[in-house]
Amino acid sequence: LAKTTQPISMDSYEGQEVNITCSHNNIATNDYITWYQQFPSQGPRFIIQGYKTKVTNEVASLFIPADRKSSTLSLPRVSLSDTAVYYCLVGPILTGGGNKLTFGTGTQLKVEL
Amino acid sequence: NAGVTQTPKFRILKIGQSMTLQCTQDMNHNYMYWYRQDPGMGLKLIYYSVGAGITDKGEVPNGYNVSRSTTEDFPLRLELAAPSQTSVYFCASSYEQDRSPKNQPQHFGDGTRLSIL
Repeated sequence: LAKTTQPISMDSYEGQEVNITCSHNNIATNDYITWYQQFPSQGPRFIIQGYKTKVTNEVASLFIPADRKSSTLSLPRVSLSDTAVYYCLVGPILTGGGNKLTFGTGTQLKVEL
Repeated sequence: NAGVTQTPKFRILKIGQSMTLQCTQDMNHNYMYWYRQDPGMGLKLIYYSVGAGITDKGEVPNGYNVSRSTTEDFPLRLELAAPSQTSVYFCASSYEQDRSPKNQPQHFGDGTRLSIL
């Protein structure tokens, strides 16, 4: 499985855009990039997934350059409630052998007033 | 839909005791997973199941057992509790289609906080 590297922590203020970058230099051709969010005392929650270029949904955007060796999760206009740990995962196409995504230590985002 | 339900939420065990962590999902998902999360760390996969009657080891299976007799339930068994198993345990499920290129979003329960003294 591709190894990922993220910043351990980031600080921001309400209303700002936050960009969290994840490095995955040995990503395989068939790997997708997935981001999860985790609040204290809760299980992770799916945010967004992509393969290349840009993906946008109602909560975030995901930017993936052509070489796919990194990806950037963009959270527009963050609020205090966006304070959480964000995980970047890179995983293979399913081959009937299971979905063995690996969660690293993630990025602790702290949003202040 | 309740989603993924885990019981109990908290438990304290003595070394050498055994217990079963319960997990049930009502989304008709075929894949189910057990993770553990130690303080300040990411999640590590213990076991997973791709369907009823099929289970396989994840990254850290030692000291645990699982079974999948129904689509809905995926209990995790600790036979001889050890202090190293003190952790928060998360169960998750997803619906995976054969030949789909994507890893479908996993839906997580709220976890079981287990302390072994």
